[in-house]
Amino acid sequence: GAVVSQHPSWVICKSGTSVKIECRSLDFQATTMFWYRQFPKQSLMLMATSNEGSKATYEQGVEKDKFLINHASLTLSTLTVTSAHPEDSSFYICSASRPEGPEAFFGQGTRLTVV
Amino acid sequence: RKEVEQDPGPFNVPEGATVAFNCTYSNSASQSFFWYRQDCRKEPKLLMSVYSSGNEDGRFTAQLNRASQYISLLIRDSKLSDSATYLCVVSFTGGGNKLTFGTGTQLKVEL
Repeated sequence: GAVVSQHPSWVICKSGTSVKIECRSLDFQATTMFWYRQFPKQSLMLMATSNEGSKATYEQGVEKDKFLINHASLTLSTLTVTSAHPEDSSFYICSASRPEGPEAFFGQGTRLTVV
Repeated sequence: RKEVEQDPGPFNVPEGATVAFNCTYSNSASQSFFWYRQDCRKEPKLLMSVYSSGNEDGRFTAQLNRASQYISLLIRDSKLSDSATYLCVVSFTGGGNKLTFGTGTQLKVEL
């Protein structure tokens, strides 16, 4: 079964509103989670590394004030897309690894459409 | 140069064919290598890890060549259900399990 759960699966929102996406590790504690974005026919691009109890590390070109990440517990990281615009429409996906190994487990992904 | 490079395809092959994909990576410090499969509009799922000695899982064989910095995936006796995008993924220990993805190679298996 799934070891990383992500919600919602899809969301349609109006331009200017904010959307929160949750990523949970179900049977292990994840001190680090990763957030990716994937546009159609493109690869997954790492947006940021979410660190439990500290600030997230953002990749170059990703606006930290627009994509707010909170990792308040060892099993939950949230990504909030603030003041969403149509160009933010994409497939957002999180991942986490068990403490013992590098294999990444992915959430189901969230398809965001901003209208 | 991209950190992980793959031919995006698509590769159209008949059912039962054998098909191989290659992937090259630029970071010589890379230590972990994977092939993930991604179906349309779904999350990636681990297909297999890639070890230096090469490894096989049923119809799938993965090889790693550290000297040349490339990874390969061989699929024998292709099934229609193998149609998907295959992602080459690399990480290095110093990156804290951060994965770097190739753009993926699209495979279409046809009747």
